[in-house]
Amino acid sequence: AQSVTQLDSQVPVFEEAPVELRCNYSSSVSVYLFWYVQYPNQGLQLLLKYLSGSTLVESINGFEAEFNKSQTSFHLRKPSVHISDTAEYFCAVSALMSNQFYFGTGTSLTVIP
Amino acid sequence: NAGVTQTPKFQVLKTGQSMTLQCAQDMNHEYMSWYRQDPGMGLRLIHYSVGAGITDQGEVPNGYNVSRSTTEDFPLRLLSAAPSQTSVYFCASRGTVLLHEQYFGPGTRLTVT
Repeated sequence: AQSVTQLDSQVPVFEEAPVELRCNYSSSVSVYLFWYVQYPNQGLQLLLKYLSGSTLVESINGFEAEFNKSQTSFHLRKPSVHISDTAEYFCAVSALMSNQFYFGTGTSLTVIP
Repeated sequence: NAGVTQTPKFQVLKTGQSMTLQCAQDMNHEYMSWYRQDPGMGLRLIHYSVGAGITDQGEVPNGYNVSRSTTEDFPLRLLSAAPSQTSVYFCASRGTVLLHEQYFGPGTRLTVT
């Protein structure tokens, strides 16, 4: 089975500052990796995913994540956050050809004006 | 195209009562799943289905039943509600096992007293 560890449960950051949300995974097989975002009182939305190819993946709203196989990490970064980025962020892993996803416990990002 | 819909949005049950959480998708997705979200525990898979007539257990299946009589619908039944089932429940779907992007419904907030 796979597992995901999100190292920070809460991350406060000032507006326009950079942010990194950490995610480490454990798996004995090759995996796909995902970041989902959940805004208050809403369901989860896919932010970005790593399936294969370039280890650096980007979202349309300025977030990026880098797959690091040697460190089994998939950290999420943004160089300059906005108030609207305040949300819960979940890292998830799924083995190739698997029916199951495993989610981390989430990181609550709060952007301070 | 409504995506994934869930009803009801909120529900309060007494211990021992039964109920069904409804989930429907209009994207002709083969794969559907139910998660529960609890503070500090992220999302945990309850049950999933890879097509009509096929269901399987996830990480936390006890106390829940599912069925998949049509491609569109995937109801979750609580047989005898317990306070430990107080949670937010999310339904999700994706096209096939090869397509890893999951689409989530808005969630059902269930309180068992």
